[in-house]
Amino acid sequence: AQTVTQSQPEMSVQEAETVTLSCTYDTSESDYYLFWYKQPPSRQMILVIRQEAYKQQNATENRFSVNFQKAAKSFSLKISDSQLGDAAMYFCAYRSDFGGSRLTFGEGTQLTVNP
Amino acid sequence: GAGVSQSPRYKVAKRGQDVALRCDPISGHVSLFWYQQALGQGPEFLTYFQNEAQLDKSGLPSDRFFAERPEGSVSTLKIQRTQQEDSAVYLCASSLGVSGRTGELFFGEGSRLTVL
Repeated sequence: AQTVTQSQPEMSVQEAETVTLSCTYDTSESDYYLFWYKQPPSRQMILVIRQEAYKQQNATENRFSVNFQKAAKSFSLKISDSQLGDAAMYFCAYRSDFGGSRLTFGEGTQLTVNP
Repeated sequence: GAGVSQSPRYKVAKRGQDVALRCDPISGHVSLFWYQQALGQGPEFLTYFQNEAQLDKSGLPSDRFFAERPEGSVSTLKIQRTQQEDSAVYLCASSLGVSGRTGELFFGEGSRLTVL
């Protein structure tokens, strides 16, 4: 079974600064997908960024980028120019490529953005 | 609506009561998942439907939990004889396809269940 580990329960960053959230995972599969989700107090999970394991290039979405190290099974999220609205719980998640596969989540990192 | 809709958003039940939580996925989405999220934790998988077929129920914690999706759209998660440990947020998610390749999961806002 796959596992996802987020070792930072809480992180804080100053507005306009950069912060990196860590995630490691364990799998024996070669094809899979990795995600970062944001969960504000409203509880709705919002997809931040997605990475296909077969792509070597790191995914980027505006101020959000990842550092995907497949051999090390590491998938960190970098948030640049942090904004107050970035404050939320962030979850790293894994999904296999086969049909019916579930998302497996990490424990989450609570991000605080200080003005 | 355009998104995944869940109801009720909040439910308080006395221990021993039965509860039913509803999920209305995005129209046309084949896959539907239920997750349980305890306070301060990541969501844990409960069950998966592909259209009306329940293909994976390995995450259901006990036989008090039952889910259905009879017409391949709306789904109901039922918890019988609720216990305090059932208190959690129950998240529903749907995706157009069946795998990671095709499936960005869209989540609802969840139903928060509190068992007294």
